[in-house]
Amino acid sequence: EDKVVQSPLSLVVHEGDTVTLNCSYEVTNFRSLLWYKQEKKAPTFLFMLTSSGIEKKSGRLSSILDKKELFSILNITATQTGDSAVYLCVVDQAGTALIFGKGTTLSVSS
Amino acid sequence: DVKVTQSSRYLVKRTGEKVFLECVQDMDHENMFWYRQDPGLGLRLIYFSYDVKMKEKGDIPEGYSVSREKKERFSLILESASTNQTSMYLCASTPPGRFLVNTEAFFGQGTRLTVV
Repeated sequence: EDKVVQSPLSLVVHEGDTVTLNCSYEVTNFRSLLWYKQEKKAPTFLFMLTSSGIEKKSGRLSSILDKKELFSILNITATQTGDSAVYLCVVDQAGTALIFGKGTTLSVSS
Repeated sequence: DVKVTQSSRYLVKRTGEKVFLECVQDMDHENMFWYRQDPGLGLRLIYFSYDVKMKEKGDIPEGYSVSREKKERFSLILESASTNQTSMYLCASTPPGRFLVNTEAFFGQGTRLTVV
């Protein structure tokens, strides 16, 4: 059965901390892995990863994919209260479906 | 096992056709959503509904309409399909008061629509 597993399910940190969110997957016909930040009605796209070992960065956020070990991590450095959100990991199964993880709820306290 | 079910995994339609995408949830959720997913653009909200016969526009409602005649069913309608509506369409539902798509939200498996 295809699945995407995120850990931890929830996380509470203090402003300034660095956090690492994990996503492991077992999906046939893998095409890409996507990370989203969910605050309101629609998730905000963060990264799309297709190749192993190539880090993608956007400001304080970065992500990398390991297609051999079948996982991805999302790093957030110097966290701010505005980073509080649910972070979704999604695997695009080529030509068929999107497989969603359950999300990691991140709370950043000031 | 509770779930959100979309009626079709794959659809191929011709330009100008009227297309119905159906979504049914068995969790008695009040809120239902339709998104489309395109490479490099992420998930974008088309319409959502927080009650029977209620609907609100999302970020990209143009070219679409919706119908929520029963609580468990939320339909997305393409009045006259166009090639730029070729995409993956996702339906989701959440409990009342929970507009956030989090661990309590459920997605359908997606419908990959191709308009030729």
